[in-house]
Amino acid sequence: KAGVTQTPRYLIKTRGQQVTLSCSPISGHRSVSWYQQTPGQGLQFLFEYFSETQRNKGNFPGRFSGRQFSNSRSEMNVSTLELGDSALYLCASRPRTGTGNTIYFGEGSWLTVV
Amino acid sequence: EDQVTQSPEALRLQEGESSSLNCSYTVSGLRGLFWYRQDPGKGPEFLFTLYSAGEEKEKERLKATLTKKESFLHITAPKPEDSATYLCAVQPLPGGGGADGLTFGKGTHLIIQP
Repeated sequence: KAGVTQTPRYLIKTRGQQVTLSCSPISGHRSVSWYQQTPGQGLQFLFEYFSETQRNKGNFPGRFSGRQFSNSRSEMNVSTLELGDSALYLCASRPRTGTGNTIYFGEGSWLTVV
Repeated sequence: EDQVTQSPEALRLQEGESSSLNCSYTVSGLRGLFWYRQDPGKGPEFLFTLYSAGEEKEKERLKATLTKKESFLHITAPKPEDSATYLCAVQPLPGGGGADGLTFGKGTHLIIQP
């Protein structure tokens, strides 16, 4: 059974640009969430999508957004990139939202903003 | 606000030297406590989920326990391949006013020397 797949794995962007990251959840999982990991702040919750609707949101500015498609695949977008947005962005999936189901993570997308 | 504190931040052990990692948490209501292992440059790998005080789970050389205020990850006779960062996270019950995502600790960086 394939795990959570994220693309691209590595990317470099310039300040002010925008970036889109993609995530394919584990087959059968309908909930997708996104996390940001930095050395200083650790892992922080961005948002969760289920059935193409954002169900939960962490404390991040509106520059961070996402969406989910009917096949449960998800994308997250960061606009007007800042140096501080350099981080490992992790996608995670579970069967559905609102439960204590185990959350499985992908390998992440490394974003460097220069 | 949910909080997770892990200690120690770093731990260096000799191969075969058993020890315990601590995860202290405050949450309005606990839906689940999760342990993950993360290797450098990779996404977190799921280890255990604990749901109620008194619960214990084991996997190879690892054993996780849970009380109402903290969780321990016991490592028995560790091997060099157990070297990694171990992350603890809590998921709150719904209706607590916060997001449904996981709140992570900063992790314990474990090094097992041969």
